[in-house]
Amino acid sequence: QMQLVESGGGVVQPGKSLRLSCAASGFAFSPYGMHWVRQAPGKGLQWVALVTSDGSNKYYTESVKGRFTISRDNSKNTLYLQMDNLRVEDTAVYYCAKRGFCSNGVCYAYHFDYWGQGTLVIVSS
Amino acid sequence: QSALTQPPSASGSPGQSVTISCTGTSSDIGGYNYVSWYQQHPGNAPKLMIYDVTKRPSGVPDRFSGSKSGDTASLTVSGLQAEDEADYYCSSYAGSSNWVFGGGTKLTVL
Repeated sequence: QMQLVESGGGVVQPGKSLRLSCAASGFAFSPYGMHWVRQAPGKGLQWVALVTSDGSNKYYTESVKGRFTISRDNSKNTLYLQMDNLRVEDTAVYYCAKRGFCSNGVCYAYHFDYWGQGTLVIVSS
Repeated sequence: QSALTQPPSASGSPGQSVTISCTGTSSDIGGYNYVSWYQQHPGNAPKLMIYDVTKRPSGVPDRFSGSKSGDTASLTVSGLQAEDEADYYCSSYAGSSNWVFGGGTKLTVL
């Protein structure tokens, strides 16, 4: 059974750093790109970042460029999000999500196929 | 990218049909057939309901269907059931490995 489990959230002061992890199991992790998506309290979803299957390409939403770094360790089936210089507006539940799926040799890669339960990050002084 | 526009709320009685709209631009919804829809119950993670505008993942009831016309996508839920009450979010690929979401629609089953 497919499972994504986020960890590493907590309360942090503005300007500080935090590293989130997402442990994957129940599916082949290395062939798939992985996303981070966040949801501020009581608000909608916001795409944050994508890393390709081999970790060679990384993409970010504008507001986190230069502050957040997405990475992965395929030997550990784990996705990471290093968050530096955190701001109050980064407060949110952070979800990791699997990028699409492949079936019978065809890949559908433009949606968020499966999501973890999320980890809460609170940035506050 | 700006968020896609969804109505904040929608409602229907059990057995009825309800349609939720999602409006974007030619840079996202209008430019790609990569609209997806997610259901989120309170306190839970989002769940994929529709991908690539009209495709339904295995396990999602065929009461859920998607469509698109120009810069607007729609999710229709037919034969409403109590368990359909949730928040629904649309998403679209926006090019250059960027994605955008709608603000969400709270669906109430009366």
